[in-house]
Amino acid sequence: DAKTTQPNSMESNEEEPVHLPCNHSTISGTDYIHWYRQLPSQGPEYVIHGLTSNVNNRMASLAIAEDRKSSTLILHRATLRDAAVYYCILINAGGTSYGKLTFGQGTILTVHP
Amino acid sequence: GAVVSQHPSWVICKSGTSVKIECRSLDFQATTMFWYRQFPKQSLMLMATSNEGSKATYEQGVEKDKFLINHASLTLSTLTVTSAHPEDSSFYICSTRRAPRNSPLHFGNGTRLTVT
Repeated sequence: DAKTTQPNSMESNEEEPVHLPCNHSTISGTDYIHWYRQLPSQGPEYVIHGLTSNVNNRMASLAIAEDRKSSTLILHRATLRDAAVYYCILINAGGTSYGKLTFGQGTILTVHP
Repeated sequence: GAVVSQHPSWVICKSGTSVKIECRSLDFQATTMFWYRQFPKQSLMLMATSNEGSKATYEQGVEKDKFLINHASLTLSTLTVTSAHPEDSSFYICSTRRAPRNSPLHFGNGTRLTVT
């Protein structure tokens, strides 16, 4: 799977929007962009994923650049419970190793009250 | 609700003993499950891929005789840490996928293993 680059950490205030960037310049046409987050002492939790178009769900929005070389996870109103490590991962749905993930270091999101 | 159940959530064992960790898919059949290990302040690292009815595939550097994986049914994979030592203390996490191929992946809540 292609590599992603994320900032090591970001901070936000409660109730404010958060934009978490991810660069993936070597993305291939069949790579899906997945976001997961990991709260302390828990397994990762699915947040959102997409291929080309922007995506919205109850947790977040995913904005994908037109050239697909970058994406942004948007938390519309951060809460203290959103403090976690956020991982941006590319997954090739056509590959035989789908589900076999390579995790980067992710972005540690701190939310201030 | 939870899609993957992992048990136990934490375990403390003495050096030299073996520990079994279970990972269950709750409402679907999982022919493939993945086992990860996470050391403090580090990211998850894939240990092995568990395939129902066949041998597991281990990542480079992971001792298959130490980390025994059994995937005897379509809903259960187990990881047994044999002859555990303090350096095996870590957070172990399983995950699985379900059809279609672009679906989200689901993770267990992890097992904190402490070897004394």
